Amino acid sequence: DAGITQSPRYKITETGRQVTLMCHQTWSHSYMFWYRQDLGHGLRLIYYSAAADITDKGEVPDGYVVSRSKTENFPLTLESATRSQTSVYFCASWTVGGGELFFGEGSRLTVL
Amino acid sequence: GQNIDQPTEMTATEGAIVQINCTYQTSGFNGLFWYQQHAGEAPTFLSYNVLDGLEEKGRFSSFLSRSKGYSYLLLKELQMKDSASYLCAVRDPTGGFKTIFGAGTRLFVKA
Repeated sequence: DAGITQSPRYKITETGRQVTLMCHQTWSHSYMFWYRQDLGHGLRLIYYSAAADITDKGEVPDGYVVSRSKTENFPLTLESATRSQTSVYFCASWTVGGGELFFGEGSRLTVL
Repeated sequence: GQNIDQPTEMTATEGAIVQINCTYQTSGFNGLFWYQQHAGEAPTFLSYNVLDGLEEKGRFSSFLSRSKGYSYLLLKELQMKDSASYLCAVRDPTGGFKTIFGAGTRLFVKA
């Protein structure tokens, strides 16, 4: 099915472990984004990518790593998870000249 | 710097009209968006303003004044299902097209 999908939808991990959240879109949108959402902060941009092999930092990039070897995939890695990274993570995509962002369903991450 | 402000919470009565304000200061501007988000769900797109003025879409309208850095979302004939968070967002093309969000306004619709 066309769209933007995230996996896993729910993840519980421990402090210090590496976690990768996956994002896949089927529209060939050039831009992809990772946001985190916490109470009182709304959606905060972590990283974004304008095209394959082009990534840039957003508002809150510390502790996260991204890559984009293919247009359709944009994984987000927490190299050593901390409790402060407990959050809901949303992936989104957009194409230049288009209107709104298209969001995935979100990944709820709990770091114990 | 980047700053988008909107009220934290609002309460309104079923059948009434509510206006949610948003002010913004960003490096650049390429459009203002409103999204609706129900608890536990992803944001869904409501409206998009790139030029000054009012955009109407059914029970929802959105207004933009670029010179004032100001927008509002107007919801008419409120229904209980409109209880949700409403997110104001600005697309900033500076250094790459980023969409920056405000913290959101939680709207409670009471009977």
